[in-house]
Amino acid sequence: AQTVTQSQPEMSVQEAETVTLSCTYDTSESDYYLFWYKQPPSRQMILVIRQEAYKQQNATENRFSVNFQKAAKSFSLKISDSQLGDAAMYFCAYRSAYGNDMRFGAGTRLTVKP
Amino acid sequence: NAGVTQTPKFQVLKTGQSMTLQCAQDMNHEYMSWYRQDPGMGLRLIHYSVGAGITDQGEVPNGYNVSRSTTEDFPLRLLSAAPSQTSVYFCASSYTRTGSLNSPLHFGNGTRLTVT
Repeated sequence: AQTVTQSQPEMSVQEAETVTLSCTYDTSESDYYLFWYKQPPSRQMILVIRQEAYKQQNATENRFSVNFQKAAKSFSLKISDSQLGDAAMYFCAYRSAYGNDMRFGAGTRLTVKP
Repeated sequence: NAGVTQTPKFQVLKTGQSMTLQCAQDMNHEYMSWYRQDPGMGLRLIHYSVGAGITDQGEVPNGYNVSRSTTEDFPLRLLSAAPSQTSVYFCASSYTRTGSLNSPLHFGNGTRLTVT
């Protein structure tokens, strides 16, 4: 079964600075999808960004971008110009192109300091 | 368009009691699933369904039952609650049609369950 590892239980960043959250995954498949979800204190799960494994270009969504290294099985999330509203738990997730279930990492709690 | 609706938001049970967590979606998604979220463990898949009449087990299915009689609804049943089932539960749905597997999961707002 695929596994997703987030090695940073907690991270902190100064407001307006840049922070990178790490994610690695283990799979023998060649076609899959990767996601980052944000969970603020409200408990909602909010999609931040997605990446298709067949695309070499890294996905970007406004201040959020990823560094997708397929050979290294790495999928890090970069948040630029951090804002207080970015404070949340962030989950990395893997979804196979051949199945349906989505596997999640343990999460990284991001604190933003004013 | 309500998305994914979960009820209740909070529930306290005594050991041995049974209950059903409700989940409904109005996006005509074929795929529906239940996750539990525990500190330090992320979200773990309990059961999932790829269409009405079809269900399958995820990573942590023991102690839970599901059924899928309609496309819209996917209830999760705890037949005899145990303290180990204290957790936050999320229902999620998505498309599964070919070409749509990259569709992300849409989540409900979660149910915080405490078993004493």
